[in-house]
Amino acid sequence: DAGVIQSPRHEVTEMGQEVTLRCKPISGHNSLFWYRQTMMRGLELLIYFNNNVPIDDSGMPEDRFSAKMPNASFSTLKIQPSEPRDSAVYFCASSFPSGSETQYFGPGTRLLVL
Amino acid sequence: SQELEQSPQSLIVQEGKNLTINCTSSKTLYGLYWYKQKYGEGLIFLMMLQKGGEEKSHEKITAKLDEKKQQSSLHITASQPSHAGIYLCGADLDDYKLSFGAGTTVTVRA
Repeated sequence: DAGVIQSPRHEVTEMGQEVTLRCKPISGHNSLFWYRQTMMRGLELLIYFNNNVPIDDSGMPEDRFSAKMPNASFSTLKIQPSEPRDSAVYFCASSFPSGSETQYFGPGTRLLVL
Repeated sequence: SQELEQSPQSLIVQEGKNLTINCTSSKTLYGLYWYKQKYGEGLIFLMMLQKGGEEKSHEKITAKLDEKKQQSSLHITASQPSHAGIYLCGADLDDYKLSFGAGTTVTVRA
């Protein structure tokens, strides 16, 4: 079975540009999470979807960040306009409530904003 | 801010030696997850503990959750170069949010 799929794996962009990160969760999983990882702050939860509905976006840094989940198999995280401090690795994870709710992570998107 | 404290921050072991990583919380852990991450890659799920006193093993890696469910340890027996990486503990402190420790970087010297 395919795991969580993320694209692109690497993104280099200039400040002010729009960045869109994509995620395909594991089939059958109904929860999806977006995380950001930096050396300074570690792994931080940005937003959580359940059954395609955003449940908690309190971790989203500011209005420049937005996330959507139009269907059960696809989600996007958009940054507009991007800034150098957004440079980080962005992970998508999915889980299926089965008592353990283990989250399975994608390989991440390494974003560099110049 | 880290709700979970991991120790040590990093460690270097000689191949074949054992190592232990600790994860401590000031709150009760309803679920404790151990992940491994290699540089430039995603987090790989290792195991999950829920019950106080629970212990799980996978190959040469053993994880325990103490009776009070506020501390977990990860023990690797006879370490190998393949064990090198960053180990993170994640705790279920709210309904669905996982809070992560800062990670422990493990280096295995041949």
